[in-house]
Amino acid sequence: KAGVTQTPRYLIKTRGQQVTLSCSPISGHRSVSWYQQTPGQGLQFLFEYFSETQRNKGNFPGRFSGRQFSNSRSEMNVSTLELGDSALYLCASSLADTRGETQYFGPGTRLLVL
Amino acid sequence: GENVEQHPSTLSVQEGDSAVIKCTYSDSASNYFPWYKQELGKGPQLIIDIRSNVGEKKDQRIAVTLNKTAKHFSLHITETQPEDSAVYFCAAIWDSSASKIIFGSGTRLSIRP
Repeated sequence: KAGVTQTPRYLIKTRGQQVTLSCSPISGHRSVSWYQQTPGQGLQFLFEYFSETQRNKGNFPGRFSGRQFSNSRSEMNVSTLELGDSALYLCASSLADTRGETQYFGPGTRLLVL
Repeated sequence: GENVEQHPSTLSVQEGDSAVIKCTYSDSASNYFPWYKQELGKGPQLIIDIRSNVGEKKDQRIAVTLNKTAKHFSLHITETQPEDSAVYFCAAIWDSSASKIIFGSGTRLSIRP
């Protein structure tokens, strides 16, 4: 079974631009969560989607948004990029029939904001 | 707020020796505790997990113990090998109306040949 895939793997943007990252979960998984990983803050939860609905959201500004499609694929968008948005963005999927399901991570998208 | 503390931040052990990483969580409502291994350039990979109704779980050279009273859990790696070198993260999940996972700060494990 294929794992979680994320595209693109690397991205360079400039301040003020916006970016869209894509995540394809493991087949059959209905929950997709997004995380930001930085050396200073570690792994921080952004949001979770289940059946096209945002089920939970972390403490990030409204510039960070996401959505999930009917095939469970998910995208996250960051508008008006800031230097501090440079990070590894990780997507994780789970069956999520119940809470606390095991999450499986993709390889991440490394975003550099100049 | 919810918090997970992880220690040590770096750990170096001789190949063949054991490594232990410890985590403490703040919210007694936590009921699921996964451990992830992250190698350079890759996303975190689940290596073992434990639920709150279990005190210990073992999978070959890896084991996790949970002490709910003290609110801490530990990862034990025995007979360490060079491929065990990576960053390890503990996490705690609150199985509530908000499915939220809080990660520890990570432990960089180095195996000396």
